[in-house]
Amino acid sequence: EVRLVESGGGLVQPGGSLRLSCAASGFTFSSYWMNWVRQAPGKGLEWVANINQDGSEKHYVDSVKGRFTISRDNAESSIYLQMNSLRAEDTAVFYCASGGSQSGFAYWGQGALVTVSS
Amino acid sequence: DIQLTQSPSFLSASVGDRVTITCRASQGIRSYLAWYQQKPGKAPKLLIYVASTLQSGVPSRFSGSGSGTEFTLTISSLQPEDFATYYCQQLNSYPLTFGGGTKVEIK
Repeated sequence: EVRLVESGGGLVQPGGSLRLSCAASGFTFSSYWMNWVRQAPGKGLEWVANINQDGSEKHYVDSVKGRFTISRDNAESSIYLQMNSLRAEDTAVFYCASGGSQSGFAYWGQGALVTVSS
Repeated sequence: DIQLTQSPSFLSASVGDRVTITCRASQGIRSYLAWYQQKPGKAPKLLIYVASTLQSGVPSRFSGSGSGTEFTLTISSLQPEDFATYYCQQLNSYPLTFGGGTKVEIK
């Protein structure tokens, strides 16, 4: 069974930092692009970042460039999202998801809530 | 950035109805379009990828078509479990983007 489990969410003050983790199991993790997608309360989906199979290629949405960093550890079958200089508008449920252009995002985690508030 | 415009944004339908949702891209995206279903409090579920390929395990009443800038998701006979919000996503170029969503509710 494929599983993606996010952790690390929580309440943080504006300007603070948080690191999300996503642990994968049930598939050949090192063969897949991995993504972070977020959803603000009551809003639609927004792709945030992705990383290729060996971590050599990364892409970000403009609104997080320079503040967020995606990384992966294939030995641990995990990806991470380091989030710095957090803003109120970053408040969202963050999902990790596997897949790329040829397959869509086939597998998703349950989501981790990040709340940025003073 | 490529904008995806879904229509309608809200749809009221009955069980058994044929439902069509449209997704228009602001520029050509070849066939790199996916469709997702999301229910409240749950993660999205992939239905269709590369415009018309049905994801494994998804019922055959779901189908997708289109290429370039215009795409459709069709549910041939709406079932009670299909009431949800549907999103299109383009995977042709960065940043990857989603449409605004179509909420399908029970009439």
